[in-house]
Amino acid sequence: EVQLVESGGGLVKPGGSLRLSCAASGFTFSSYSMNWVRQAPGKGLEWVSSISSSSSYIYYADSVKGRFTISRDNAKNSLYLQMNSLRAEDTAVYYCSCYPFDYWGQGTLVTVSS
Amino acid sequence: DIQMTQSPSAMSASVGDRVTITCRASQGISNYLAWFQQKPGKVPKRLIYASSSLQSGVPSRFSGSGSGTEFTLTISSLQPEDFATYYCLQHNSYPLTFGGGTKVEIK
Repeated sequence: EVQLVESGGGLVKPGGSLRLSCAASGFTFSSYSMNWVRQAPGKGLEWVSSISSSSSYIYYADSVKGRFTISRDNAKNSLYLQMNSLRAEDTAVYYCSCYPFDYWGQGTLVTVSS
Repeated sequence: DIQMTQSPSAMSASVGDRVTITCRASQGISNYLAWFQQKPGKVPKRLIYASSSLQSGVPSRFSGSGSGTEFTLTISSLQPEDFATYYCLQHNSYPLTFGGGTKVEIK
């Protein structure tokens, strides 16, 4: 059974940092591109970032470029999102998903507030 | 960047109704289009991939069609468990983009 389990969310002050993790199991993690998608409270889905299976290709939404860094550790079956310079508008549930978005984690809530 | 224009943004429908939701891409995306259903407080669930392929386990009353710039999700006979918000996603090119969502409510 495919499982994606996010962790690392929480309350952080504007300008602060957080690192999200996504632990994968039940599939060959190293063969799949992975993604982060977020959803602000009461809003729609927003793609955040993608990373190819070998980390050769990395993409970001303009809204997070220069502040967020996606990475993965295939030996640990884990995906990460380092979030720096956080803003109130980054408040959202963050989901990890394997391409092509057939499996999603349960999400982790990030709240940016003073 | 490719914009995905989804319509309507909300609709009221009755059980048994035929429901059609449309996504229009600002440029051609071949068939790199997926549809998702999301219920309040729940994780998005993929219904359709490659524009028209039904995800395993999804009822056959859901169908997708289209290619290029115009795409449609159809629910042939709306059931009580189908009241939810639906999103399209283009994954033809980065940045990936979701449609704004369609909330299907009970009439």
